[in-house]
Amino acid sequence: SQTIHQWPATLVQPVGSPLSLECTVEGTSNPNLYWYRQAAGRGLQLLFYSVGIGQISSEVPQNLSASRPQDRQFILSSKKLLLSDSGFYLCAWSVPGRPNSPLHFGNGTRLTVT
Amino acid sequence: DAKTTQPPSMDCAEGRAANLPCNHSTISGNEYVYWYRQIHSQGPQYIIHGLKNNETNEMASLIITEDRKSSTLILPHATLRDTAVYYCIVSNYSGGYQKVTFGTGTKLQVIP
Repeated sequence: SQTIHQWPATLVQPVGSPLSLECTVEGTSNPNLYWYRQAAGRGLQLLFYSVGIGQISSEVPQNLSASRPQDRQFILSSKKLLLSDSGFYLCAWSVPGRPNSPLHFGNGTRLTVT
Repeated sequence: DAKTTQPPSMDCAEGRAANLPCNHSTISGNEYVYWYRQIHSQGPQYIIHGLKNNETNEMASLIITEDRKSSTLILPHATLRDTAVYYCIVSNYSGGYQKVTFGTGTKLQVIP
């Protein structure tokens, strides 16, 4: 069966520090991968998606970037964190090429920028 | 993307059926309706999805109106563990991926 892992679960970082969040998927090949952010009391906003290695698309302009160095690895990064980067970050995957494939989410990383 | 409208909160007595409504009046013909739920501090969990027909699985039933402009998620026998935020979304599958934005959903409180 497929599983998705995200780490760390919680993170407290000072403003201006770098960020690296990692997500890996097991049990499937060439998944579509996604990064979402959920601000407190808000819905989930799609940040990035990837349909293959090295293929990253951004949904919204921001202080973050994403990379996919391996088929089942998705990384969210920032060079200098802002206070507004605080939130709950979720990685998800879906089956490629299937319009009705649901999203499968990890358990998220709660980031607090101080 | 087609957008959805859900009530912000609902209560349901334990053991009773929970019926969560969703309006998606601008849905287009090839867009699916999905339901997810999010228990506090966890990632959203997929529940069920459908296109035109009603669907049922081990977790819930999904009733979609004939004009597809609204749907209802039914949890047949709600338990305290069903307390969560429930999201109804319409998925726009384009460019080979699911382009989905989640709203604020319905906060379901199951009451003992």
